[in-house]
Amino acid sequence: DAGVIQSPRHEVTEMGQEVTLRCKPISGHNSLFWYRQTMMRGLELLIYFNNNVPIDDSGMPEDRFSAKMPNASFSTLKIQPSEPRDSAVYFCASSFRVDEQYFGPGTRLTVT
Amino acid sequence: AQSVTQLDSQVPVFEEAPVELRCNYSSSVSVYLFWYVQYPNQGLQLLLKYLSGSTLVKGINGFEAEFNKSQTSFHLRKPSVHISDTAEYFCAVGGSNYKLTFGKGTLLTVNP
Repeated sequence: DAGVIQSPRHEVTEMGQEVTLRCKPISGHNSLFWYRQTMMRGLELLIYFNNNVPIDDSGMPEDRFSAKMPNASFSTLKIQPSEPRDSAVYFCASSFRVDEQYFGPGTRLTVT
Repeated sequence: AQSVTQLDSQVPVFEEAPVELRCNYSSSVSVYLFWYVQYPNQGLQLLLKYLSGSTLVKGINGFEAEFNKSQTSFHLRKPSVHISDTAEYFCAVGGSNYKLTFGKGTLLTVNP
């Protein structure tokens, strides 16, 4: 299996622009997670889906952030408009059981 | 609510020395405990996990951890480290709902 796939690996954008991060979970996994990692706040769970349905989005910072999972093999995290404080590494993870999550390589986002 | 405290943000050691990375957690319910490793510019990889049963858990790359319920700790140990063990290590606590709460991480640097 190819593991969790994220694209792009790096994204540099200007403040105010829309940013879309993409994730393909491992086939057969029914849960998908979006995390954000920064030096200041560490690794934070933004949202997680189970069977394509958002279960908990309490970690989403504000209305500028939105996430979708239109099918079992694809998810997006969108930031509109982006701000410099959104600069971070964003990870997607997937799981088929409660005791293990598989992480993607991450997308490093820089907002100038 | 759950929380995780990793007591050391950085741990420098010499090659072939033993190492212990400390982790304390708090939770009002029964927990699952995890250690993940993150190599530079990569996603997180599961090292080991405690779900139930034996309190001494063995993981990959020669690491082990001991669950201590009375001290609410889950410290990670390796008897002899290698240069290749240089990475950031994250302790995490989870429950039955798929959500993981991560500590801030410990940067292990193995020097020759």
